Amino acid sequence: QQQVKQSPQSLIVQKGGISIINCAYENTAFDYFPWYQQFPGKGPALLIAIRPDVSEKKEGRFTISFNKSAKQFSLHIMDSQPGDSATYFCAASRSGYSTLTFGKGTMLLVSP
Amino acid sequence: ETGVTQSPTHLIKTRGQQVTLRCSSQSGHNTVSWYQQALGQGPQFIFQYYREEENGRGNFPPRFSGLQFPNYSSELNVNALELDDSALYLCASSLDDEQFFGPGTRLTVL
Repeated sequence: QQQVKQSPQSLIVQKGGISIINCAYENTAFDYFPWYQQFPGKGPALLIAIRPDVSEKKEGRFTISFNKSAKQFSLHIMDSQPGDSATYFCAASRSGYSTLTFGKGTMLLVSP
Repeated sequence: ETGVTQSPTHLIKTRGQQVTLRCSSQSGHNTVSWYQQALGQGPQFIFQYYREEENGRGNFPPRFSGLQFPNYSSELNVNALELDDSALYLCASSLDDEQFFGPGTRLTVL
C-alpha cells in the first residue's frame, strides 16, 4: 500500500517558469510533511516542511501548499533555475515517530 | 557542527556475503534512521534507533539488523546478501521531526 502518492513522475520547465509537484497521502495520522531535493549520487536534502495547522509556507522561491481536507500538498518552485534540476521527494510522518514515508519522486529538468 | 557522514561510499559484495555500513550522526542528534533507496525509487524505511534501542522497523527481514552506540553513531548489518539488496543505503539523524540525511553508501551485490 503506497501511503504517499506523488505526481508527476517527471517534469520539464523552462528557466523562469513555475514548477509544481503534487502529493497525496492516505494516513490521517500524518502531521509533518517535508520536501527533499536529491542530486545524483547525493543524499536527500531537506528543502522545506509544513504542518497541518497552516495552509501555506514559503521559503525563498519554494512554497508548500497544504489542503488538509483533500489530504494533498504541493511544492511550487518559482522562477525555476537550471540549478534546480534534481529529483524531488515529498514525505510524511507522525510527530514523535520521525519515520518518513516517501513518495516515488519527481525528476525535474529546468531547461536554460 | 558536522553533518551526517557515512562509510564506505561504495561497496561491492557477492550474493550470500555479509556487509556492515556505518553512520555518524549530526552533532547533538540522538536518533538515527536507516533507509534503502532502490534506483529510481523513494527511500524506504528500514529501522530507527533512539538512544541505543531499536525504535521502529519497516517491512524488512531480520537479516537486516543494526546497532547504535553511546555516541549515537550507528551500524547497519545485512546478512546473506541477495541481488535485490543492491541499492543506496541512507542514514538520517534527527533530534525531532526534521531528519537530515547523509550522502549514502552505494551497495552493489553481484
